[in-house]
Amino acid sequence: DTGVSQDPRHKITKRGQNVTFRCDPISEHNRLYWYRQTLGQGPEFLTYFQNEAQLEKSRLLSDRFSAERPKGSFSTLEIQRTEQGDSAMYLCASSPPGQGAYEQYFGPGTRLTVT
Amino acid sequence: KQEVTQIPAALSVPEGENLVLNCSFTDSAIYNLQWFRQDPGKGLTSLLLIQSSQREQTSGRLNASLDKSSGRSTLYIAASQPGDSATYLCAVADYDMRFGAGTRLTVKP
Repeated sequence: DTGVSQDPRHKITKRGQNVTFRCDPISEHNRLYWYRQTLGQGPEFLTYFQNEAQLEKSRLLSDRFSAERPKGSFSTLEIQRTEQGDSAMYLCASSPPGQGAYEQYFGPGTRLTVT
Repeated sequence: KQEVTQIPAALSVPEGENLVLNCSFTDSAIYNLQWFRQDPGKGLTSLLLIQSSQREQTSGRLNASLDKSSGRSTLYIAASQPGDSATYLCAVADYDMRFGAGTRLTVKP
């Protein structure tokens, strides 16, 4: 399968624990995006990478959140000291270089539940 | 700040009906507008992408239009089927991508 993949698909954690999610974009895509989606809402932008450079971060991305894309391929999103308000679906998307840059392809998401 | 609104929030129709979903946005300086489908608990599947220079795009039973000057897009679904039941999201790309809250569509057999 050559689509965007995310791991794990589901994560249940206790408040205060750290969690890390992984996203593997489509192989030729140089842009990678993270979004958060809560029930009944559309996805909200968190951060964006072009190759290994993190070019934009939303104010939603508090200092407990960190994202990396060390080799310009897969990306990780870490949440430290999780809170119940972090419970959401975390979506990753990628897009190709050039004029197709603004068409994003989404992964299946990681659903986080903080108890 | 770009605001994207989708109306209605939910829609229930009998199978076979033609229907229109609406999306409005506040800033017309966009690169493109994209319509997605999302099944419960799943990721987003891209349906149609309309570049800012285009007026409409078609794929099978789906037709999306874009009127930048009025800040509106519509998604037309012809001859709806139960398998079309899902949440439909529109998103506009300017500096980043902003989504509406979606329209939850139910097509009854």
